[in-house]
Formats: sequence, structure tokens, C-alpha cells
Amino acid sequence: GENVEQHPSTLSVQEGDSAVIKCTYSDSASNYFPWYKQELGKRPQLIIDIRSNVGEKKDQRIAVTLNKTAKHFSLHITETQPEDSAVYFCAAPTYYSGNTPLVFGKGTRLSVIA
Amino acid sequence: GAGVSQTPSNKVTEKGKYVELRCDPISGHTALYWYRQSLGQGPEFLIYFQGTGAADDSGLPNDRFFAVRPEGSVSTLKIQRTERGDSAVYLCASSLGLAGGMGDTQYFGPGTRLTVL
Repeated sequence: GENVEQHPSTLSVQEGDSAVIKCTYSDSASNYFPWYKQELGKRPQLIIDIRSNVGEKKDQRIAVTLNKTAKHFSLHITETQPEDSAVYFCAAPTYYSGNTPLVFGKGTRLSVIA
Repeated sequence: GAGVSQTPSNKVTEKGKYVELRCDPISGHTALYWYRQSLGQGPEFLIYFQGTGAADDSGLPNDRFFAVRPEGSVSTLKIQRTERGDSAVYLCASSLGLAGGMGDTQYFGPGTRLTVL
């Protein structure tokens, strides 16, 4: 089955700097990679996702890149703000046809220091 | 529109008791997922429904756990003979349930925090 590894487990950056979180996956057939942000005591919220027919996707200060050959994908947050502080989870599909449960990484706790 | 809702938000029970956790998915979403999240970990898959049927229950840890979705909308996760190790946040998610294609965005509920004393 799919295995997802996420690094780093914690990340501290100064406000205005960039943050990068990396994930690797094991199943080369996986084709959908969402990123969720979870604030303390809150639900996970989708912030961006990428499908395997593109290599990069951007939404304002957030971008995701995908390297299918190396089986890894990364979240990039530019011009970080204190409200970006949260735990971020990457995920990959358990199987690659339509609806699929997700396998999550262990999360990265991002702290943006003002 | 309304998002995924879960009740109760918190549940405290004693070891050995039976509990039911409820999930109301987004209207029109045919796919529904249950996950469990322990402290400091990512969500872990328990069971997935497509319509009324359980399409994949491979994540249920043992036969004390059961879930139903009789009318293809609301789902109930049932835990019998609760153990202290069952303490976690139980998350529900729903998605449109698109057939084929590449991925189907899952929207999460706020979770039910279960504490077994």
C-alpha cells in the first residue's frame, strides 16, 4: 500500500521568509496529492492540491511542485505571515481510481515568528 | 453552504461502554470517509462509503468498530466495548464521489474528540 513520509516535523521561520515542506510517496501510480492545514483544535482544511498531469500549481502565496520520477512533492509558502502558523499535512491516495481514502504524512508544525 | 458536521464534538465515556459518533456530510456528496487522528499524528483511514455501501473497511482496527450509512447521507461510527486506546479525534470527510478521474477533494468535519476513561 501507499506510504507517505513528510519532512521536517517542525519548521520555524521569520515572518516574510519562505517555508518549504517535502513529502515522498511510494506508489508510482498515485495521481493526486492534496495539502491540508490544521490549526489547533480545528478541522483539516484543504489549501492546495495537485494532480499528476501537471508539475506545479500556484495559488497566491502557496505553491506545490510534483516530481513523479522521484516520487516527491513539496509545499512552498512565500512571504509567510503569523497566521500561516499551523500543522500542515500532505497526503496521497490509497488507490488511484476516482474516490480514494487518503494516506497522510505525520505533519509539519510550522511556526512563523513575527 | 453547510460543511461537514459531526456530533457530539466531545464524548467522554468509561472503558467497556458503547459509543456512537455521527457525521452529516455535505449535501450531494456520495462518498464519505472516517479517519482517526491521534495526538501529533496525521489522520488515519478507518472506513469509506460510496453511497450506502462500505466500499473499503480495511482501516477498521478490529471488530469492535462498525459504521453504517443506511440512506447514503448521514453516517454513524459505532464502537463497542471501548478501550482507553480508542481515545482520539474521529474525523469524517465527504467528497462528491466522482467515478474515475484523478482525485476527489475531501472536506473534513470538525471531528469528535473521544476520551475513554
